[in-house]
Amino acid sequence: AQSVTQLDSQVPVFEEAPVELRCNYSSSVSVYLFWYVQYPNQGLQLLLKYLSGSTLVESINGFEAEFNKSQTSFHLRKPSVHISDTAEYFCAVSKSSNTGKLIFGQGTTLQVKP
Amino acid sequence: DAGVTQSPTHLIKTRGQHVTLRCSPISGHKSVSWYQQVLGQGPQFIFQYYEKEERGRGNFPDRFSARQFPNYSSELNVNALLLGDSALYLCASSLFTSGSPDTQYFGPGTRLTVL
Repeated sequence: AQSVTQLDSQVPVFEEAPVELRCNYSSSVSVYLFWYVQYPNQGLQLLLKYLSGSTLVESINGFEAEFNKSQTSFHLRKPSVHISDTAEYFCAVSKSSNTGKLIFGQGTTLQVKP
Repeated sequence: DAGVTQSPTHLIKTRGQHVTLRCSPISGHKSVSWYQQVLGQGPQFIFQYYEKEERGRGNFPDRFSARQFPNYSSELNVNALLLGDSALYLCASSLFTSGSPDTQYFGPGTRLTVL
């Protein structure tokens, strides 16, 4: 069975500082990896995904994540955060043979302070 | 293009009642999945439906059921509501193209409160 661990429940950071949200997964089979963002009182929005190919994936708003198979990690990074990045971030994994079922981590609350 | 839509937005029920939640997928998407998100936790997979058939089921009791219609919309039904069923219920749709990676897109959710 797959599982996802987000190592930090809350990450406070000042505006324009860099940030890393950590995600580790466990699986005995090939997986796809995702980061979703959830703003208050809203649903989940896809931020970025790793399916295959380059291990470094980027989003349109400056976030990036690197798939590290040996360390079974998929950490999310941004070199300079904005107040508007304040949200809940979820790492998720699905088996490559069954992408209809996502397994989510517990979430990390990113709190960007002015 | 419209995204995934869900109705109602909010719902308040009492213990023992029944509830029906509705979801319309993105146009062209044939798969719908349902998730339960309890406050402070990540979403938990409940069901996936494709072409009106159940393709996967999470670890939820039989009080939870769902179905998919010919237009690919879906309903989630919960019977004999318990206080612990209070949560945000999320619907996600995807293309579900055989042999290709799939990405799920989520709706805004239905907030269910059981009193």
